[in-house]
Amino acid sequence: AQKVTQAQTEISVVEKEDVTLDCVYETRDTTYYLFWYKQPPSGELVFLIRRNSFDEQNEISGRYSWNFQKSTSSFNFTITASQVVDSAVYFCALSRKLTGANSKLTFGKGITLSVRP
Amino acid sequence: GAVVSQHPSRVICKSGTSVKIECRSLDFQATTMFWYRQFPKQSLMLMATSNEGSKATYEQGVEKDKFLINHASLTLSTLTVTSAHPEDSSFYICSAKTDFRTYEQYFGPGTRLTVT
Repeated sequence: AQKVTQAQTEISVVEKEDVTLDCVYETRDTTYYLFWYKQPPSGELVFLIRRNSFDEQNEISGRYSWNFQKSTSSFNFTITASQVVDSAVYFCALSRKLTGANSKLTFGKGITLSVRP
Repeated sequence: GAVVSQHPSRVICKSGTSVKIECRSLDFQATTMFWYRQFPKQSLMLMATSNEGSKATYEQGVEKDKFLINHASLTLSTLTVTSAHPEDSSFYICSAKTDFRTYEQYFGPGTRLTVT
């Protein structure tokens, strides 16, 4: 069975602070895929990143960066110099495959990030 | 980027009636569509997986006769909530994916169902 744990439920920061959102996953598969999604108040999920289990290279995209560590089964997400527009619920998710029915996503419970001006 | 639409975006219905929610992939053919349900301030829970032309596969605990899913074409899947009750009130989100592009799941904007 697959499981995604996002232990933090709500985080509040002041604008320009850095913030890290934690994600820990469980899977018995050797090949799997990890995702982060953003859900703003409008409700529509926004894809942020996908990571393959065989690629532990960290990634940076603008103010966003991701730290994938298989040794600790973690896939953490850091926002640098946070902005009010970053306020949203962030979900970490896991899938077994990229195609077919096993591409279904197992989501964590989400982290509500509030960035205050 | 790829676009997935859902209709309606909001619906209010009376207890005992049925409601149909449509999910369309607008610019690609979706080999697989997923239906998720999200309660307020909670995570997304997968309800079922549907492939065009075949029966949907429901997750454990999801009532097949209550949540009817039809994937009639490669661009359209429908979820019908039959004999709705207040506890069915939720945010329903579909996603569509193709195995021939970037392998991403493209999510619809969601449908807010309120059963009175």
